[in-house]
Order: sequence, then C-alpha cells, then structure tokens
Amino acid sequence: DIQMTQSPSTLSASVGDRVTITCRASQSVTTWLAWYQQTPGKAPGLLIYQASNLESGVSSRFSGSGSGTEFTLTIRDLQPEDFATYYCQQYSAYPLTFGGGTKVEI
Amino acid sequence: EVQLVESGGDLVQPGGSLRLSCAAAGFTFNRNAMNWVRQAPGKGLEWVSGVSGGGGDRYYADSVKGRFTISRDNSKNSLQLQMSSLTVEDTAIYYCAKSYRGFYYFDSWGPGTLVTVSS
Repeated sequence: DIQMTQSPSTLSASVGDRVTITCRASQSVTTWLAWYQQTPGKAPGLLIYQASNLESGVSSRFSGSGSGTEFTLTIRDLQPEDFATYYCQQYSAYPLTFGGGTKVEI
Repeated sequence: EVQLVESGGDLVQPGGSLRLSCAAAGFTFNRNAMNWVRQAPGKGLEWVSGVSGGGGDRYYADSVKGRFTISRDNSKNSLQLQMSSLTVEDTAIYYCAKSYRGFYYFDSWGPGTLVTVSS
C-alpha cells in the first residue's frame, strides 16, 4: 500500500498568513494526488486534483504543486473560513489512501 | 447540481450486518465511478470501496475485503454497501463520494450516515 504522510499535523496561523502543507508518498504517485478541506461536522470538499489543478469554484488562494513523492498545498492570504483540516489523497494505486490530515488553527 | 444522500446508518451489535444506500442525482450516474469513504470519530479519512461506472470493477480496502460488498443500480441512480461481520472498528461516518469519471478522486460527497457498532 502507498503510505501518505502529511506534515505538520497541526499548524497555527493568523488571518492573512501564507501557509504550506506537505504531503509525502511512500512511492511515486506521479501527479495522481488530490487535496481536500474539511470543516467540523461537514463532509470533505475537493480543492485540488492531479496535484495542481484547482477544482471549479475553489478560491485561487489555494494552490498545489509537486510530483512523484512530494507535494505541497499552499494557502495564501488565509481567511477565517480556511481554518479547517486538510487531507491529501493518492489515486495512483489501490487501495486509495489519505494522509493523516493537517489541522490549520488560529 | 450534484446531490448525494446516504441512508441506512444505525446502531448494530458486533458481528451484525447493515446495508447502506446512497441516492444520487444531478449528474449522469453511469459515467462516474462511485465510492464509500469513512471517518471514525475524531479520526481521519479512510477509503473503503469503489466501483466503476458500469459496475464491473470493484475495489476494496484490505480492512473490509471479504466482509463488505459494494454494488450499484444504474437504473435507479443508487449505490449500496452491504456490510457484514461488523466490528467496533467499523464505527464511523460513512460518506458516499462521486469520482470524476474513471479517476478515483472525489469531486462530490454526501453528508454521511453514522454506523455505530456496539454491544
């Protein structure tokens, strides 16, 4: 199975900050990597697919990059609604696997 | 607008069985793979199972293989998950999640249904 490791697990930030979350895969997933945002009590929502493609309707403050085994999600100009938990997910091979999550808190 | 609504979550005893359903609307159902993803209380996301648009290809996480069966009824725009030999580790919110065509990332999610396995 491909293991996905996110860092940090928790990130403290302020409104207006730029934050970066890292996701590492135990083997290459090329660019078959997605990012999701989840707020408490809600289902996750897709932010980024294929490592760097912004999902329709998602704010351009979100961006993704990387390939192979190392990926980043960057949020610029952090807004109050961005305080949430973020997950990466590989879809290169079965079983599909998620990272452990990164909680972005105030 | 895509709509996914899960149902069937309940309290069940260890060793028991349960069938979850997901009603889909707002997209061409048979053109998209569909999945179940779960989240144990206070924990992260775990993909459980996926099925191709035509229903011929089915995939499972090792943790549920042999116990869970995914199926779909394209005539009714419906996805199911038959769960058996349930253990306390299966306690979670179960989300129905739509894939973009045959790509197994999840572009739409239902609100989830809670399965609690407890004696």
